[in-house]
Amino acid sequence: SQQGEEDPQALSIQEGENATMNCSYKTSINNLQWYRQNSGRGLVHLILIRSNEREKHSGRLRVTLDTSKKSSSLLITASRAADTASYFCATWLTDTDKLIFGTGTRLQVFP
Amino acid sequence: EAQVTQNPRYLITVTGKKLTVTCSQNMNHEYMSWYRQDPGLGLRQIYYSMNVEVTDKGDVPEGYKVSRKEKRNFPLILESPSPNQTSLYFCASSPLRGVGGANYGYTFGSGTRLTVV
Repeated sequence: SQQGEEDPQALSIQEGENATMNCSYKTSINNLQWYRQNSGRGLVHLILIRSNEREKHSGRLRVTLDTSKKSSSLLITASRAADTASYFCATWLTDTDKLIFGTGTRLQVFP
Repeated sequence: EAQVTQNPRYLITVTGKKLTVTCSQNMNHEYMSWYRQDPGLGLRQIYYSMNVEVTDKGDVPEGYKVSRKEKRNFPLILESPSPNQTSLYFCASSPLRGVGGANYGYTFGSGTRLTVV
């Protein structure tokens, strides 16, 4: 199975609600990153959290990292219809030159 | 504008006909990489390059070649395409990793949708 696995696979919410996506991984990492992809387009980097950090914020985004549980979560507060996209976590494995992506969470935000 | 440019955006070709997908970045990034994206499988790394003349295999390199003769360009070559290489391909770049590992996000191109018939 994948190094990074997102949960849930799909999420539907109303505008204004918060969206939470989770990512679990298997091996030691240097950092974990979250990306957004609008349908069929290129991925856009959202936020990076290093292995020695526990929480990070960027605008309406909040990311947490628990290295003991090998898991991360992405919280989008006050969701907007424009947040509709797929969200991927990616892990940079320790002592490698590889960034490994998960399979993504599809978020649908209804107006 | 800082960007990664891939060409073409769409390509339909026949089995066995050699093709090249170009990738160029204008950010002076050392690190470049190719991924393919397939439904249910996420993004899988094909090849990556740490700098000019330095390339290495990712997780799914079979059937692909790359070269890095200039810092800005990282073309992906399919010498003899097959239908199982039908996919959405992305090129990405980032600055070289800093102390303690890579601490930069990737900049992605817009993608190349390849169909091999």
